[in-house]
Amino acid sequence: KAGVTQTPRYLIKTRGQQVTLSCSPISGHRSVSWYQQTPGQGLQFLFEYFSETQRNKGNFPGRFSGRQFSNSRSEMNVSTLELGDSALYLCASSSPGLGYNEQFFGPGTRLTVL
Amino acid sequence: DQQVKQNSPSLSVQEGRISILNCDYTNSMFDYFLWYKKYPAEGPTFLISISSIKDKNEDGRFTVFLNKSAKHLSLHIVPSQPGDSAVYFCAASVGGTDKLIFGTGTRLQVFP
Repeated sequence: KAGVTQTPRYLIKTRGQQVTLSCSPISGHRSVSWYQQTPGQGLQFLFEYFSETQRNKGNFPGRFSGRQFSNSRSEMNVSTLELGDSALYLCASSSPGLGYNEQFFGPGTRLTVL
Repeated sequence: DQQVKQNSPSLSVQEGRISILNCDYTNSMFDYFLWYKKYPAEGPTFLISISSIKDKNEDGRFTVFLNKSAKHLSLHIVPSQPGDSAVYFCAASVGGTDKLIFGTGTRLQVFP
């Protein structure tokens, strides 16, 4: 079974631009979560989607948004990019029955904002 | 407010010996705890987990201990192998949600 895939793997943008990152969960998984990893703040939860509905949200500004499609694929969008948005963005998927909150992570998208 | 803390940023252990990684938490509502391992340029990989109704969970070379009164958990790796060299994150959640709160990580180096 294929793992969680994320595209693109690397991205370079300039301040003020917007960016869309994509995540395809493991087949059969219906929950997708997004995390931001930075050297200073570590791994921080952004939001979680289940059956196309946002179920949980972290403490990030409204510039960060996401959505989930009927096939469970998810996208996250960051508008008006700031230098501090440079980070590794990780997507994770999970499914009821595989274990309590065992999330499987993708390789991440490395975003650099210049 | 760092609800999950890993106070040791790094740990160096000789191959074959025990590695003990520690994690403290402040939120008494956490009821599920996980350990992940992360290699550079890869996403975290799930290692082992424990529910708050247990105080120990074992899986092969990995054992997680939970001390609820001290709000402390630890990961024991026995015996340690060079391939275990990675960054280890502990994480916690409340009430069955997928919202994981991560610690800052401990870099483990296992040398021959």
